[in-house]
Amino acid sequence: EIVLTQSPTTTAASPGEKVTITCLASSSVSNMYWYQQKSGASPKLLIYSTSSLASGVPDRFSGSGSGTSYSLTINTMEAEDAATYYCQQWSSNPPTFGAGTKLELK
Amino acid sequence: EVQLQQSGAELVKPGASVKLSCKTSGYTFSNYYMSWLKQMPGQNIEWIGNIYGGNGGTGYNQKFKGKATLTVDKSSSTAYMDLSSLTSEDSAVYFCARNYGSYFDYWGQGVMVTVSS
Repeated sequence: EIVLTQSPTTTAASPGEKVTITCLASSSVSNMYWYQQKSGASPKLLIYSTSSLASGVPDRFSGSGSGTSYSLTINTMEAEDAATYYCQQWSSNPPTFGAGTKLELK
Repeated sequence: EVQLQQSGAELVKPGASVKLSCKTSGYTFSNYYMSWLKQMPGQNIEWIGNIYGGNGGTGYNQKFKGKATLTVDKSSSTAYMDLSSLTSEDSAVYFCARNYGSYFDYWGQGVMVTVSS
């Protein structure tokens, strides 16, 4: 199965700061998907097909990448963005998730 | 509005089985796959398998074959997952999530399963 490695594991950002989370795949994938999970809640889709914003997601979020390297960027950190972020692939079975990046408010 | 409503928390004894439900509304159940996923406390999300609402066709993660059995009831637009021979390793939060192509666009609220004597 394809292993997704996220970095950093944990990070903190001040309001207005730019945040970038990376996801490296053990084999090339055609697309990457990103989710946000707040404590005690279910994951929420943020980005699909590498760079498309899911409905209702603020445009300070963006995604990019190709092959084995993908990233999620928050252009200007807001307090409500404190959460854990996961990348996910389904280029081959089974679909797999990264271990998550915990983003805290500084 | 698409909604996935999962059944309540379960406390089960080792060796027992449990059946979880995911009642859907707001979309045509038979047109989509439903996946089930596992998240142990503070840990990664694992895909267990999925089932097509139209004909009950299934696909499983090899890791969960023999552990999980997925079924649907089209008449009530509900998906089910049976977990058997439960051990402490099965204690986790389980989510149902609608497949949209290669990703999961709507999720249930999750259900905590605790395996303890």
